[in-house]
This record gives sequence, C-alpha cells and structure tokens, in this order.
Amino acid sequence: GAVVSQHPSRVICKSGTSVKIECRSLDFQATTMFWYRQFPKQSLMLMATSNEGSKATYEQGVEKDKFLINHASLTLSTLTVTSAHPEDSSFYICSASPGTGGESRYTFGSGTRLTVV
Amino acid sequence: AQTVTQSQPEMSVQEAETVTLSCTYDTSENNYYLFWYKQPPSRQMILVIRQEAYKQQNATENRFSVNFQKAAKSFSLKISDSQLGDTAMYFCASAPYNTDKLIFGTGTRLQVFP
Repeated sequence: GAVVSQHPSRVICKSGTSVKIECRSLDFQATTMFWYRQFPKQSLMLMATSNEGSKATYEQGVEKDKFLINHASLTLSTLTVTSAHPEDSSFYICSASPGTGGESRYTFGSGTRLTVV
Repeated sequence: AQTVTQSQPEMSVQEAETVTLSCTYDTSENNYYLFWYKQPPSRQMILVIRQEAYKQQNATENRFSVNFQKAAKSFSLKISDSQLGDTAMYFCASAPYNTDKLIFGTGTRLQVFP
C-alpha cells in the first residue's frame, strides 16, 4: 500500500530559528501534497496544498512567508517554519495523493510535533 | 465552500457492542468523496472507509460500514463488534471529486470499554 514518511517526528527549536519538516511518498508519485496543522484535541486544519513544480496554494489566514512550502519532486515536499515562535508549537501532518478523481488515495504521514521554546 | 459537522464530541461503547458515529456535510459539488479516518493516540491518521458520492451502495469494510444518505447529506459510521483497539478519535472528511483537498469535521472521541 501507499506509504508516506514524515520526518522528524519530534523537534524542539528555539524561538526565532527555522525548522524544516519533510514529507516523502515512498512507493508512489505524489502529484499533490497537503500540509495540515492540528492543535491538541482539535481537528486537522488544512494549511496549504503543494503541487510538484509550482507554488503552493495557501488557505486563508495562513502566512505564506512564515510557512514556506517546497514541492521540488514528485516524492518530496517540505514545510519550513521560519522564525518560529511558541505559538507555532503544534502537530503538523502531511498527506499525499497520486492524483485527482478515480482511485485517488489520501495517505498521511505520521506527523511532526513541533515545540518552540 | 465545503463544511463537515460531527455533533458528537465523545462517544463510548462496551466491547462487542455496536456504535454509530454521526456526520453531516454541506457541499455544492455534484461529485465528491466522503471518508472516515481514525486517529489513535499515536496520532497516525488511518483511513477507515471511503464512499464515492455517485455510488448508492453503502461502503463496508469488515466491521465498519456507513449509512450514506445523499439527499440528507449524512454519512454516519457504524462500528460493529467494537474492540478495545477501536478507541481513538474519528474524523469524518469530504473532498470534491476534482481536487484532493480534504475537509475534516471536528472529530468524535470514541472510548471502547471492556
């Protein structure tokens, strides 16, 4: 079955630094990858949609200069949290899809717990 | 815009019993997918079941089945013969057919008691 690897699983960083999170599709080519944020005991909120080779589409209210998304290949998307602050502490999850319609599948990474101190 | 509503923040069921989790949605799309995802304490999102809106037959995956009422925009999940391992958060989600953009409900925390 489809596997999505997300790394790191946990990261602690100092306020003001940047953190990069990787999302890789291991056994399929992901035309589209999605980044979600999940606060404790809450639902997943879509942050942005990234398509290979083009700029990411950000949801309303998400700062594109703060959450940099790069989808340089069909198997890798990265989310960089720039100049992190404690309020950026959250659980970040990526998902990947091989395409739209038909037998599209949505496979999730295992998530990254970011703590900014 | 799509919205997904889960009106039950928490549910509990005894082992081996049956429980139904509710979900309603709103969409202007004609073709779309509906999903139930399970998120155990590990926080890994696991696909439980998937329904294509153009199919009238309710999807079934072993102990999990859905009651899809398209006119009412309702998509409930029935878990039969509940097991302790079913304890998790359950999220209902929808996606238009022409995109892969999942919109999630607020989740239902299910506790299965021995």
